[in-house]
Amino acid sequence: DIVMTQSPATLSVSPGERATLSCRASQSVSGNLAWYQQKPGQAPRLLIYGASTRATGVPTRFGGSGSGTEFTLTISSLQSEDFAIYYCQQYIDWPTFGQGTKVEIK
Amino acid sequence: QVQLVESGGDLVKPGGALRLSCEASGFIFSDYYMSWIRQAPGKGLEWVAYISGRDNTIHYADSVKGRFTISRDNSKNSVYLQMSSLRAEDSAVYYCAREIPTAMVLDYWGLGTLVTVSS
Repeated sequence: DIVMTQSPATLSVSPGERATLSCRASQSVSGNLAWYQQKPGQAPRLLIYGASTRATGVPTRFGGSGSGTEFTLTISSLQSEDFAIYYCQQYIDWPTFGQGTKVEIK
Repeated sequence: QVQLVESGGDLVKPGGALRLSCEASGFIFSDYYMSWIRQAPGKGLEWVAYISGRDNTIHYADSVKGRFTISRDNSKNSVYLQMSSLRAEDSAVYYCAREIPTAMVLDYWGLGTLVTVSS
């Protein structure tokens, strides 16, 4: 299986600041990369697919980039509701998820 | 609006069996692949199985192959996960989710149902 590695494990950010989350694949997944947000006690929510396409209803402050093995999720100005765990997922092969990045309030 | 409601989670002994159900509403169920995803307590996400909308194309994670069976009944807008030979490491919240038409990406998820395997 393709291994997805996310960094950092925890990111401390102040509201209004920019957050940059990374995801690396153990082999190329081309642009077959999605990002999800999960809040405590809730199911994950799809944010981004195709590496950079926002899902329906996702605010424009969420942006995805990258291809091949290196991907980035950027939250341009963190809002209170954005503090959560973020997972990347590849789907070029049997789908696998990263271990998650927790975005916490600084 | 799209809704997915899982049921069937329970406490079961190692070696036991359990059947999870997921009832869907708000969309044309037979048009979509459906999947089961699990999340062990405090851990990340693992894709368990998927099933196509109409032709029963099915695939399983290696960790459950031979022990779990995914199925669906389009007349009841439902997808199922029959689990057998359960192990402690199968303990998790099991989510039912819908795939987008063009890729193995999950755009709607249920709230999940908890399976605990313990003696």
